[in-house]
Amino acid sequence: DTGVSQDPRHKITKRGQNVTFRCDPISEHNRLYWYRQTLGQGPEFLTYFQNEAQLEKSRLLSDRFSAERPKGSFSTLEIQRTEQGDSAMYLCASSWEVDTQYFGPGTRLTVL
Amino acid sequence: GENVEQHPSTLSVQEGDSAVIKCTYSDSASNYFPWYKQELGKRPQLIIDIRSNVGEKKDQRIAVTLNKTAKHFSLHITETQPEDSAVYFCASRATQKLVFGTGTRLLVSP
Repeated sequence: DTGVSQDPRHKITKRGQNVTFRCDPISEHNRLYWYRQTLGQGPEFLTYFQNEAQLEKSRLLSDRFSAERPKGSFSTLEIQRTEQGDSAMYLCASSWEVDTQYFGPGTRLTVL
Repeated sequence: GENVEQHPSTLSVQEGDSAVIKCTYSDSASNYFPWYKQELGKRPQLIIDIRSNVGEKKDQRIAVTLNKTAKHFSLHITETQPEDSAVYFCASRATQKLVFGTGTRLLVSP
């Protein structure tokens, strides 16, 4: 499968724990995006990278969230001290420049 | 900030009927408008998109129209089939990120 992949697909954690998600974009894509989707809503933009540079962050991204793309390939999204309000589907997408964004299957986070 | 409104939130049609979903965007700098289909538990998948220099685009049973003056764009599905049942999201892009509507749940009954 040469599409966008994400790991894990599901994560259940207790409030206050830290979690980390991984996204592997389509190999030739230089842009990588993170979105969050809650039930009944459309995806909401969190942040995006061009190669290894993080170029934009949403106000939704509190200080507890951090994202990296160290070598311009895969990316990680870490949430520290998780809260119940962080429960959502975290989607990753990639594109070549401003072309079409292709989404991964998402990581569903449940914070108990 | 950018905002996209999408209507209706749910749409039920009989197989073979047409379905229309409408979106309105706020940022006049928006220049790209994709539509994604999301089946339950699956990733959003692009079904059609339109850029601001085009008023209409068609791909088999799916068409999208854009009215830049009114900041409206619409998805038209003809000859609907049960496998068209899903949630459809419109989106707009002015800078780098996509701003999504709240989705339309389309149910096509046999």
